Order: sequence, then structure tokens, then C-alpha cells
Amino acid sequence: GENVEQHPSTLSVQEGDSAVIKCTYSDSASNYFPWYKQELGKRPQLIIDIRSNVGEKKDQRIAVTLNKTAKHFSLHITETQPEDSAVYFCAASINDNNDMRFGAGTRLTVKP
Amino acid sequence: DGGITQSPKYLFRKEGQNVTLSCEQNLNHDAMYWYRQDPGQGLRLIYYSQIVNDFQKGDIAEGYSVSREKKESFPLTVTSAQKNPTAFYLCASSFSMAGELFFGEGSRLTVL
Repeated sequence: GENVEQHPSTLSVQEGDSAVIKCTYSDSASNYFPWYKQELGKRPQLIIDIRSNVGEKKDQRIAVTLNKTAKHFSLHITETQPEDSAVYFCAASINDNNDMRFGAGTRLTVKP
Repeated sequence: DGGITQSPKYLFRKEGQNVTLSCEQNLNHDAMYWYRQDPGQGLRLIYYSQIVNDFQKGDIAEGYSVSREKKESFPLTVTSAQKNPTAFYLCASSFSMAGELFFGEGSRLTVL
């Protein structure tokens, strides 16, 4: 089955710097790659997702890139702010939510 | 207010006891899910349900049971057969099996 690895497990950046979180997946049939953000004590929420028919997607300060050949995808956050501090999870799925596999999470800390 | 509600937020159980976690949604979503979250690991799927009166095992269903008698409700029972039940449990729902996951705030179960 699908296996998703996420790096780094923790990341600390200065406010205003960029942050990059990387994920690799094992099943080349995966075609949907969401990113969820979980602030401390709160529920995970979808922040951005990408499907395999595109290589990059942007939404204001966040972007996701996908390299299907290498089977990896990355989350990029520019101009980081303290409110970006959270745990970020990547995931990959072939068809539906029942086969979605999550990475172990990255704890991002943005220092003011 | 539309959303997904889990209760209780914190629960303590003695070894050998069954415990039921509640999950209710008023989003009119067809699909509902239960995930387990452990430190350093991604979310792992326990059970999911696509429609009322139907549910399927996820990756780690052993020691758990569910029911889906109403569209709005998907309770999870952690049985005494679950060898390591102390964890954070997240319920989620989605409009369809391929839709965005909407999570509850979670229930933290501690076995004493």
C-alpha cells in the first residue's frame, strides 16, 4: 500500500523567512495530495491541495509543488508569520479518502 | 453553526473497559471517518462509512467497532481488545468519499 514520508519533523524559522516541507510517496498511482494544518489544540484543516494533472498550485503565501516522476511534493510558505506556527500534515491518495495516507507531520515554529 | 462535534474531549478508562466516543455532524455529509493520531505518526484510519448502515474497516480496525444508524452520527467504541488504546481520536466527515475532510476537535483517551 501507499507509504508517505514527511520531512523535517520539526522546523523553526524567523518571521518573514520561507518554510519548505517535503513529502515523498511510494505508489505511483496516487493522484491527490492535500495538506492539512493543525494549530495547537485545534482540529486539522485543509489549506491547499493538488491533483496530479498540475505541477504547482499557489494560494497567496502558500504553494504546493508536485514532481510525479520523483514521487515527491512540497509545501512552500513565504513571508512566514507567527500564526503559521502549527503542525502540517501531507497526504496522498489514489482514489478516495479511504485510501488516503498521511505523513507523520511537521511542527513549524515561526519565531517573531 | 455547521460543523462536526466530538465528545467527550477527554476520557479516562480503566483497563478492560469499553468506551464509546461520540461524533455528530450537521453538514449533511454522506461520508464519515475515524482516525487515530499518535505522537510522531500520521493520522491512521480506523473505520469509515460511506452511507447509513454501511461501514468499512480502515488500516487499524482491530479492537474498535462503529455503527452508522443515522447520517449525522458515527460513534466509535474502543473495546478492551484494543491493546494500546491511549491516543488522540479524530472524527471527520466529507461530502463524498473524494471530498475535503472536515475534522472534529478530537477526543483524548487515556487508559489508566
